[in-house]
Amino acid sequence: AQTVTQSQPEMSVQEAETVTLSCTYDTSESDYYLFWYKQPPSRQMILVIRQEAYKQQNATENRFSVNFQKAAKSFSLKISDSQLGDAAMYFCAYRTIHGSSNTGKLIFGQGTTLQVKP
Amino acid sequence: DGGITQSPKYLFRKEGQNVTLSCEQNLNHDAMYWYRQDPGQGLRLIYYSQIVNDFQKGDIAEGYSVSREKKESFPLTVTSAQKNPTAFYLCASSIRDNPYEQYFGPGTRLTVT
Repeated sequence: AQTVTQSQPEMSVQEAETVTLSCTYDTSESDYYLFWYKQPPSRQMILVIRQEAYKQQNATENRFSVNFQKAAKSFSLKISDSQLGDAAMYFCAYRTIHGSSNTGKLIFGQGTTLQVKP
Repeated sequence: DGGITQSPKYLFRKEGQNVTLSCEQNLNHDAMYWYRQDPGQGLRLIYYSQIVNDFQKGDIAEGYSVSREKKESFPLTVTSAQKNPTAFYLCASSIRDNPYEQYFGPGTRLTVT
């Protein structure tokens, strides 16, 4: 079974600085998707960025980028020029895409709470 | 506006009572999911449904039940058999076989005393 681990329960960053959130996962599959979701205090889950495992190029979305290391099964999220609105809980998630396991379900890490200091 | 609605936002029940959480979507999505969120544990899948009149157990289905009689609706019943029902419950939906995104509702906070 696949597992996702976020080893940093809490992180903090100064406004305008850069922060990296860590995520590791365990799988025997070669093809899958990885996601970072943001959950602000409203608790609404928002997709931040996604990465297809077959793509070597790291995904980027504006100030958000990932460092995807497939061999190491690592998927970190870098937030550049941090803003107060980035304060939230961030979840790393894994999704199988093939065969009978392709149910669409997401497997989540435990989450990292990010504090942004003005 | 298209989206997912969950009602109510806060729900209180006495121990031993069954309670049903509502989830409705107007996105025309085939697949719907129920997750439970506890502090420090992330989200865990309770049940999911990929088509109407069909659903499967997720990782923590014990003490829960669902129905999928309409494409737009996927209600979750928390039964008295669920030992620790107090949690935050999130409903999500997606286009079947679309690997890219699940859309989440705003959630329901259930407190059982």
